[in-house]
Amino acid sequence: DGGITQSPKYLFRKEGQNVTLSCEQNLNHDAMYWYRQDPGQGLRLIYYSQIVNDFQKGDIAEGYSVSREKKESFPLTVTSAQKNPTAFYLCASSESGNTIYFGEGSWLTVV
Amino acid sequence: EDQVTQSPEALRLQEGESSSLNCSYTVSGLRGLFWYRQDPGKGPEFLFTLYSAGEEKEKERLKATLTKKESFLHITAPKPEDSATYLCAVRWYNTDKLIFGTGTRLQVFP
Repeated sequence: DGGITQSPKYLFRKEGQNVTLSCEQNLNHDAMYWYRQDPGQGLRLIYYSQIVNDFQKGDIAEGYSVSREKKESFPLTVTSAQKNPTAFYLCASSESGNTIYFGEGSWLTVV
Repeated sequence: EDQVTQSPEALRLQEGESSSLNCSYTVSGLRGLFWYRQDPGKGPEFLFTLYSAGEEKEKERLKATLTKKESFLHITAPKPEDSATYLCAVRWYNTDKLIFGTGTRLQVFP
C-alpha cells in the first residue's frame, strides 16, 4: 500500500537522551515535513525538505535535527537541547506545491 | 504576520443539525487552502483543497467554500461518525509550507 509510515508509535525519552523518529514514504513525493502538535496549539512546522540532501528550518527547529539522504526517508532527531519534547509528532509529504499528506503520528513522552 | 484562525473552537450538534465551521486567514498571496479531518491520536486526513475565491468542493455531507478572506466547511445533516477535529491550513506563494489553524472540535450526538 502507498503511504507514509512513522515509527515507533510510542516512544519514551529519558532526560538528556537523544531519540530519533522514523518517517518513510513510498509515494515518490519530493517534499517531506515534520510537524509537532500540542493540545490547543495546532500543528507547528519543525523542519521541511523539498529535495534530497536539502532541508530548511521551520518555526520551531531549536532542539531538533533532520537528514534527507534518501527521497523516501526523513528521520527526525529530538536532541537533549529540546526542553519540552513531550508531544505528538507528525510526518508528512507532498509533490511540490500540492496537497500534503500525513502519517499516523508518533507520541513522544519524557520520563 | 500571517495568521489562520478557526472558529468556533468547539461545536456540539445534534444528529441532523446542520452547521458551518469558519477559517479566516490573513495570508497574502494565497496558493491554496486545505481542510483536514483529524481523529484522536491519528494523523490528519485530507478532505479538500481550494485555490480561488468562489470555488466550492463537496464530499458526502461536507461542502467547503472559499472567499478572499475566509473559508467555510458546511456540514449538512451530520452523523455521530462526523465527530472529529477539523483543521484548516493555508499555503502562500513562494513556499511549500502550510500554516495551520488550531482546529474546531466537532461532536455530533445521536
